[in-house]
Amino acid sequence: ELKVEQNPLFLSMQEGKNYTIYCNYSTTSDRLYWYRQDPGKSLESLFVLLSNGAVKQEGRLMASLDTKARLSTLHITAAVHDLSATYFCASGGADGLTFGKGTHLIIQP
Amino acid sequence: EAGVAQSPRYKIIEKRQSVAFWCNPISGHATLYWYQQILGQGPKLLIQFQNNGVVDDSQLPKDRFSAERLKGVDSTLKIQPAKLEDSAVYLCASSYGTYYEQYFGPGTRLTVT
Repeated sequence: ELKVEQNPLFLSMQEGKNYTIYCNYSTTSDRLYWYRQDPGKSLESLFVLLSNGAVKQEGRLMASLDTKARLSTLHITAAVHDLSATYFCASGGADGLTFGKGTHLIIQP
Repeated sequence: EAGVAQSPRYKIIEKRQSVAFWCNPISGHATLYWYQQILGQGPKLLIQFQNNGVVDDSQLPKDRFSAERLKGVDSTLKIQPAKLEDSAVYLCASSYGTYYEQYFGPGTRLTVT
């Protein structure tokens, strides 16, 4: 059974700081996804990582994948308030996705 | 391109009542998923369809939950009878195929009292 663990589960940080969210998954998987969810909203796809060493960047967010360590990271550079949300990583292939519990991120001025 | 549509957006029922949710996937998407998201947790896959056939329903509580996808397009998820622990957001997602990116609908928030 595939398990996905995120840490931290809660993060409060100041604007302008950098931080990293970690996502570990238990078994070999085809791909790794990062989603963002705002309160009361659905899931917005951020990144899809398909292979070892994959790195993708969008604005202040950068995601990477190390399949040997079964680890993905989501790095936030110079955080701004608009990035406050819950971030989920999810792993899976043909059988649907297994999600982590999410990282609730609050960015304070 | 229109996104995944779901209705209703909110539903409040009493325990032991029945409820149904509807999902219309993105046009051309063959794969459809239903997820359950309990407050404070990540979504959990309930059932996956490929066209109108079930690919995986291993986590669907079949004594009370049922789902169908007629004609390989729209899908309905039913709960009968509902329990308090069924209170959650039910998310529908669709993708072009089983290895393609999933797109999520707005969800249906169910409260069982």
